[in-house]
Amino acid sequence: NAGVTQTPKFQVLKTGQSMTLQCAQDMNHEYMSWYRQDPGMGLRLIHYSVGAGITDQGEVPNGYNVSRSTTEDFPLRLLSAAPSQTSVYFCASSLTGTGEGELFFGEGSRLTVL
Amino acid sequence: AQSVAQPEDQVNVAEGNPLTVKCTYSVSGNPYLFWYVQYPNRGLQFLLKYITGDNLVKGSYGFEAEFNKSQTSFHLKKPSALVSDSALYFCAVRGYSSASKIIFGSGTRLSIRP
Repeated sequence: NAGVTQTPKFQVLKTGQSMTLQCAQDMNHEYMSWYRQDPGMGLRLIHYSVGAGITDQGEVPNGYNVSRSTTEDFPLRLLSAAPSQTSVYFCASSLTGTGEGELFFGEGSRLTVL
Repeated sequence: AQSVAQPEDQVNVAEGNPLTVKCTYSVSGNPYLFWYVQYPNRGLQFLLKYITGDNLVKGSYGFEAEFNKSQTSFHLKKPSALVSDSALYFCAVRGYSSASKIIFGSGTRLSIRP
């Protein structure tokens, strides 16, 4: 049982390049989400999904796209990377999209945009 | 809109002394409240949650938290700190009717000195 798996763990991009951060979970969780972690800012919600085919915006969605074609996968796309997107990104999932379920986190993906 | 405040960036405690990490929240309706811990270069791990019922919630590693509705607080506590408790702690809130967003505070670094 792998839990939440994120790839890649490290990535360096040039301004304007595109890339996709992958997230997969094997716990049959309905809810998946992406956060970014910056010093002094805590975790900020980028996008989330309450089930396959359903996505919604979080606190800081600009510059990021997501899709949820399967229950297991929730990729995060950066279409044109900017230095302000340098951060550590975490994918997290929970059993349901409502209420009391706690989040299970991946190990994070460290992105540097030059 | 939901929000979480962790007023202390850092808390320093001597080993064996009690510790408190503060958290206040703002949400419409009844809250679901969570504490997570992050060790260096790792993802976040769930510690405990308040859903309903007893205001004192017990969690992993001897931690507990007290829900205070009138003060909109959910402070994390431990009667006797260990050096191994040194880590970054995050409080999070999800509203009962908030369309599934889980919002995190900015984090508090807990440092336990021997």
